Amino acid sequence: GAGVSQSPRYKVAKRGQDVALRCDPISGHVSLFWYQQALGQGPEFLTYFQNEAQLDKSGLPSDRFFAERPEGSVSTLKIQRTQQEDSAVYLCASRLDGAGPYNEQFFGPGTRLTVL
Amino acid sequence: AQSVTQPDIHITVSEGASLELRCNYSYGATPYLFWYVQSPGQGLQLLLKYFSGDTLVQGIKGFEAEFKRSQSSFNLRKPSVHWSDAAEYFCAVANNAGNMLTFGGGTRLMVKP
Repeated sequence: GAGVSQSPRYKVAKRGQDVALRCDPISGHVSLFWYQQALGQGPEFLTYFQNEAQLDKSGLPSDRFFAERPEGSVSTLKIQRTQQEDSAVYLCASRLDGAGPYNEQFFGPGTRLTVL
Repeated sequence: AQSVTQPDIHITVSEGASLELRCNYSYGATPYLFWYVQSPGQGLQLLLKYFSGDTLVQGIKGFEAEFKRSQSSFNLRKPSVHWSDAAEYFCAVANNAGNMLTFGGGTRLMVKP
């Protein structure tokens, strides 16, 4: 079946622009996660949804970052007034169940954001 | 707070040689540990995971890892490396709720012919 997909795969923004990154999870997956991966580093947790509820947003680096999943399926990560330090790969992952670490998080290919 | 350290940023091995990638974690309770592989342009793929029980876990692609509580380590091993194993490898620990993975900085593996 289809995996997690993300769009666009590449995004170039001028500093100060707003961007929206989309994640289509595996159909029927309850949990959805966003991670930020800076160049040469491991992914860092941003936020977590269980269905449409955003249960943890402790990793969002500033109030310029906003995520939503209004119907419990597709999710959008929005970054307002982008800064150069926002340049990174943004990874989305989905998981079948609602809680617990036992089931696998399936990752999408990521969106590479470059802020000029 | 949980954390993961991968001491080796780059490792180069010859094809057919054995491999060990190091991972040390810090976590207050019983850790849930994972190894992922990331190839260029690809998403992260789970190689194996440890929750409890047998401390030697087998994964896909011939990889295995051993959990050592006394050393806070979860090292990844493969007896004979193939050229297709060249990639970046990440060790991760999950919190109890499983809602957050904390990753190490990664180890880039290069394979010499």
